Amino acid sequence: AQSVTQPDIHITVSEGASLELRCNYSYGATPYLFWYVQSPGQGLQLLLKYFSGDTLVQGIKGFEAEFKRSQSSFNLRKPSVHWSDAAEYFCAVGAQSNTGKLIFGQGTTLQVKP
Amino acid sequence: DTAVSQTPKYLVTQMGNDKSIKCEQNLGHDTMYWYKQDSKKFLKIMFSYNNKELIINETVPNRFSPKSPDKAHLNLHINSLELGDSAVYFCASSQDPTNEQYFGPGTRLTVT
Repeated sequence: AQSVTQPDIHITVSEGASLELRCNYSYGATPYLFWYVQSPGQGLQLLLKYFSGDTLVQGIKGFEAEFKRSQSSFNLRKPSVHWSDAAEYFCAVGAQSNTGKLIFGQGTTLQVKP
Repeated sequence: DTAVSQTPKYLVTQMGNDKSIKCEQNLGHDTMYWYKQDSKKFLKIMFSYNNKELIINETVPNRFSPKSPDKAHLNLHINSLELGDSAVYFCASSQDPTNEQYFGPGTRLTVT
């Protein structure tokens, strides 16, 4: 069965420090992969996506992610975190491309220390 | 210009009542979705419609009934509300099932 694991439930980083949020997936075929961010009381905003091609994907707000098939991972990175990045981050895999079904990880809460 | 909008934003109601949540997208997308986010922030798909046709119907109680009057709207009607239905419900849309999904702001449903 398809699944997504975000091993870190909660991460705290200092403002200006680098960030890496981990995501591992289980999927039999070539996955569609996404990272979404959810600010408190808000909906989900798409940060970036991977469908095919270059395995290093650039997104909005200075985020990037790297697809590593051999490790079944799609980790999210940012070189320098801003206080406004504090939010909930969700990794998702497109489980069935003909239906659009997304399977989400359990989310990682990012706290940014001043 | 809100791309995906939902009404209401908050909904407080009593057990046994029937309620509806409305969703509209102005992106010209063909596919729309309903997700449920529980108290632990876990997101799970409930339904998906493509060109007004139901294409995903996860294991959801039949008290939940989606209705798509046109491609721009996907409403969610819930009968006989239960305490366990309390959650945040998100609507989303995509150009087609293979593309990224855009989410609405969510509707926080509280059943007392």
